[in-house]
This record gives sequence, C-alpha cells and structure tokens, in this order.
Amino acid sequence: DTAVSQTPKYLVTQMGNDKSIKCEQNLGHDTMYWYKQDSKKFLKIMFSYNNKELIINETVPNRFSPKSPDKAHLNLHINSLELGDSAVYFCASSPGGGDEQFFGPGTRLTVL
Amino acid sequence: QQQVKQSPQSLIVQKGGISIINCAYENTAFDYFPWYQQFPGKGPALLIAIRPDVSEKKEGRFTISFNKSAKQFSLHIMDSQPGDSATYFCAASSLTGGGNKLTFGTGTQLKVEL
Repeated sequence: DTAVSQTPKYLVTQMGNDKSIKCEQNLGHDTMYWYKQDSKKFLKIMFSYNNKELIINETVPNRFSPKSPDKAHLNLHINSLELGDSAVYFCASSPGGGDEQFFGPGTRLTVL
Repeated sequence: QQQVKQSPQSLIVQKGGISIINCAYENTAFDYFPWYQQFPGKGPALLIAIRPDVSEKKEGRFTISFNKSAKQFSLHIMDSQPGDSATYFCAASSLTGGGNKLTFGTGTQLKVEL
C-alpha cells in the first residue's frame, strides 16, 4: 500500500554511464515532482509534471530528462553521469492544485 | 540565491523542552508555508502548514507562528520527545500552473536528549 515508490533505492555507477530512476504513485494525484537532496541535505526541485505535462523545469543540466508515461509514473533518466550528480533523488506527488506533497523514500545515487 | 533562510542548523533540546526553529523568506508571492520532518533514510513528510491569512496554527505539540510583515515564520515543538529527533525543513511555495514549487530552507537537525 505504498503511496509513492521509487526504484532502485540505491544506485552505484561509474562516471559517464546512463541510468534511470523510476517513480510510481498510487494516490491518484495529478502532479508529480523530482527533487535532489545534496550531501548537506539541501532539497531543491528539479522538475514537475501535471497530467503528463512538464510545468516546472528548474536550471538542471539537459543530461537529466524526465519522462511521464502516464500520470501515475514519472521517471528520471540521467545521461553521462558526473561525480556531482551523487545525491539522494526524491520523487513526490500532490493532488492537482493541492499543497501537500507526498515524498517517496528516495534513491541514493553514487557516481564513482 | 537562498529564498528561504532557516536557523539554527542544529539544535539540542532536553526531553520535555521546547524546540524552536526559525525561517525567513524573501518572495512576497509565497502563499503556503509548510514544515517537513525527515528521518534518516526516509523521505520528507509534511508535519504542519500555514497560509499567510492566519498568524498561528497549532496541531498537537506542533505550532507554527507566522509574521507576514516581517516575512518570518517559526516552528515550535512543545514537550519535545526523543522520537522528535529528525531533520526539519521549512518551505514556501506559490502555485505555479497546477503544481506547487516548494522552496526549502537548509534544514535543522534536531536532537532531543533524555
């Protein structure tokens, strides 16, 4: 009965590789988000989708590409991984126009 | 540019004491001010939130005080318990085309000692 789930929970990879993180929510929400939490625990929004449409796109390298196949899923693909991409990535969702965002458990990405 | 400033960075409180975390914002378009609680290895979870039309909101042991003119808001945790030990984030947002873009503070690591 997990509300917002992410896979994988841990991801260790080499510089230059391409990787994807998947997110699914079963709350029936219209809006989904990706956040990055760095080593100092600072949380910053990366992207937001509303009903499969991109509505927020922060200053993120174009190596990061979100994809929303349907409103329950928002995946994050990262090309040519760099050391600075190491962080915890959180997916979140909220009702359309709603305030409360429900976060997933996070994916810890380590780039070696 | 840090639009939401949070202090202190860390806080140690004795069990039963009051924990106070402060935040200040710059963008007057913000109209929603939540506090999130994050335990190690978990995602942030909404604790309590306030809109700028009220100056205080209380839920159990948690209270938000909001000062619109000063552009400041704070979280008070009464009767702090060891189970409250976590990282607390203030945030602010304004509605953007159907989704809320949350701008987070830098976080406060709270430890409640016995």
